Amino acid sequence: EDQVTQSPEALRLQEGESSSLNCSYTVSGLRGLFWYRQDPGKGPEFLFTLYSAGEEKEKERLKATLTKKESFLHITAPKPEDSATYLCAVQAGRGSYIPTFGRGTSLIVHP
Amino acid sequence: EPEVTQTPSHQVTQMGQEVILRCVPISNHLYFYWYRQILGQKVEFLVSFYNNEISEKSEIFDDQFSVERPDGSNFTLKIRSTKLEDSAMYFCASRESTDTQYFGPGTRLTVL
Repeated sequence: EDQVTQSPEALRLQEGESSSLNCSYTVSGLRGLFWYRQDPGKGPEFLFTLYSAGEEKEKERLKATLTKKESFLHITAPKPEDSATYLCAVQAGRGSYIPTFGRGTSLIVHP
Repeated sequence: EPEVTQTPSHQVTQMGQEVILRCVPISNHLYFYWYRQILGQKVEFLVSFYNNEISEKSEIFDDQFSVERPDGSNFTLKIRSTKLEDSAMYFCASRESTDTQYFGPGTRLTVL
């Protein structure tokens, strides 16, 4: 069974204090790993798709990286508007292509 | 920028009643999905739809659920006889030929 574990569950940062969120996964043949941002009461907003170990993608203050066992979402000099829940999802490369989601990391950035 | 839309944003219903949740996927997308998220829990897959038929469904998607694409733009989820435990956010998602799914804003379903 595919498993996705995100840590920490919650993270509080001061504005400008860089940090990383972790997504560890167990899947039989990774097809793709996705990062989403979710604001309270809203739908997941797509951030990145990663396909192979060593791949990196960046968008503004966010950078996602991927290894064979985990992915990191690095947040550089965060701002209060970066406060949200960040979701990781993995898609196996066999059979079902339905992504399995983690529980998310709730990030609060204080001004 | 094209986006997935969903209506209504909030639906309140009595237990045992039927509800229909509506979605308009991104226009050139071919694959459509419904997910749900119970408050404080993970996003859970319900069903996927392609070429006018269900391609996959989870164990949650039992006989009380059905999906339909009644025309070229809408995609609906029907819950025939709602239960208290159906209270959740329901998200529609769509994708084109790539793997990335784009989600709508959700419908909050409250069953009383």
